[in-house]
Amino acid sequence: EPEVTQTPSHQVTQMGQEVILRCVPISNHLYFYWYRQILGQKVEFLVSFYNNEISEKSEIFDDQFSVERPDGSNFTLKIRSTKLEDSAMYFCASREQVPVHGYTFGSGTRLTVV
Amino acid sequence: DQQVKQNSPSLSVQEGRISILNCDYTNSMFDYFLWYKKYPAEGPTFLISISSIKDKNEDGRFTVFLNKSAKHLSLHIVPSQPGDSAVYFCAASFDSGGSNYKLTFGKGTLLTVNP
Repeated sequence: EPEVTQTPSHQVTQMGQEVILRCVPISNHLYFYWYRQILGQKVEFLVSFYNNEISEKSEIFDDQFSVERPDGSNFTLKIRSTKLEDSAMYFCASREQVPVHGYTFGSGTRLTVV
Repeated sequence: DQQVKQNSPSLSVQEGRISILNCDYTNSMFDYFLWYKKYPAEGPTFLISISSIKDKNEDGRFTVFLNKSAKHLSLHIVPSQPGDSAVYFCAASFDSGGSNYKLTFGKGTLLTVNP
């Protein structure tokens, strides 16, 4: 069964450092997303990406965040200057044109900012 | 901002019995609802969905019921199995433009199925 692959599974970084979280969505999917889950809280939408541009972003997704699909297969989330409150599980997801089959999520990257 | 609410943080049932997980929503724009299952250290796994034009959708042991007037949906698992033990998330969406369908999640319900 096709999978969404995320790397690394765990990233520890110093506050103020840049991090890049990587994702390989399912190859025939067209819509790509990043969500995050702070420990003990709900899964929150960050950003959606379609046709090589951001289609929607949440209030969380400020100027410190950016996304890129550099080569047609990878989909990355960059945090320029990490803060302690960025510590969370970050999930990449992708889906087909028709949402009836739901999204496929990756296993997540646990980001710890110290 | 609790547009999607799962008021029961946990539920415990005996193997073979029915598990009923509930979800309420407040945003009338939502027209597509999904249930996800999540194990620790894994991403959410899609279980079943329902469009607002339906009031029931079945897939094997899983059935989702939608009551639009009450803005309520439920997931029934029959019969429950120990392997069903996980956190179950209710999610809702609508087309916010360009077929985006971003998901708004509830906080989840931890289901424990006891042998």
